[in-house]
Amino acid sequence: GAVVSQHPSRVICKSGTSVKIECRSLDFQATTMFWYRQFPKQSLMLMATSNEGSKATYEQGVEKDKFLINHASLTLSTLTVTSAHPEDSSFYICSATGARGAYGYTFGSGTRLTVV
Amino acid sequence: DAKTTQPTSMDCAEGRAANLPCNHSTISGNEYVYWYRQIHSQGPQYIIHGLKNNETNEMASLIITEDRKSSTLILPHATLRDTAVYYCIVRRFMEYGNKLVFGAGTILRVKS
Repeated sequence: GAVVSQHPSRVICKSGTSVKIECRSLDFQATTMFWYRQFPKQSLMLMATSNEGSKATYEQGVEKDKFLINHASLTLSTLTVTSAHPEDSSFYICSATGARGAYGYTFGSGTRLTVV
Repeated sequence: DAKTTQPTSMDCAEGRAANLPCNHSTISGNEYVYWYRQIHSQGPQYIIHGLKNNETNEMASLIITEDRKSSTLILPHATLRDTAVYYCIVRRFMEYGNKLVFGAGTILRVKS
């Protein structure tokens, strides 16, 4: 089946630095990727949708300059949290799907970001 | 996409069937019912989806009422590893770029 790999699984960074999270579709071409954020004991909140080769579409209230999304190839999307602060500490999850919803929605295993 | 209502939490004895209900009274004719689950600190896992007929796969069964206003996910023989948050999502079929929006879900606790 479709596999999505997310890296790193955990990261700790200092306040003010930037962190990049990678999301890779290993065995299919991901025309669309989604990024979610999840705070403890809460549901997943969609942050943005990215289509390969296009600018990401951000959900209302998500700062596009803070959460930079790049989807330059059909197998890789990256989320960069710029100038991270403790309130950005969260569980970040990516999801990918192929053209016309092929391969369904496959999720990565998530990245636990802790900003100290 | 139609909204869903699920109980906050449920308990189930190990080895017994777990029946997770979902209300989606505003569902449209072209909207499917999807079920995902999330085990603690992992990404969501697809379980099953259906339109109007009951569906079964190796993980679970999905029973959709005739009027399609509610459905039930059935895990036939729950194990401790089935303890997770279960999300019922109603949306149109996976069109290009169509996003998946999660509600609060049901916390299922399987107990020995």
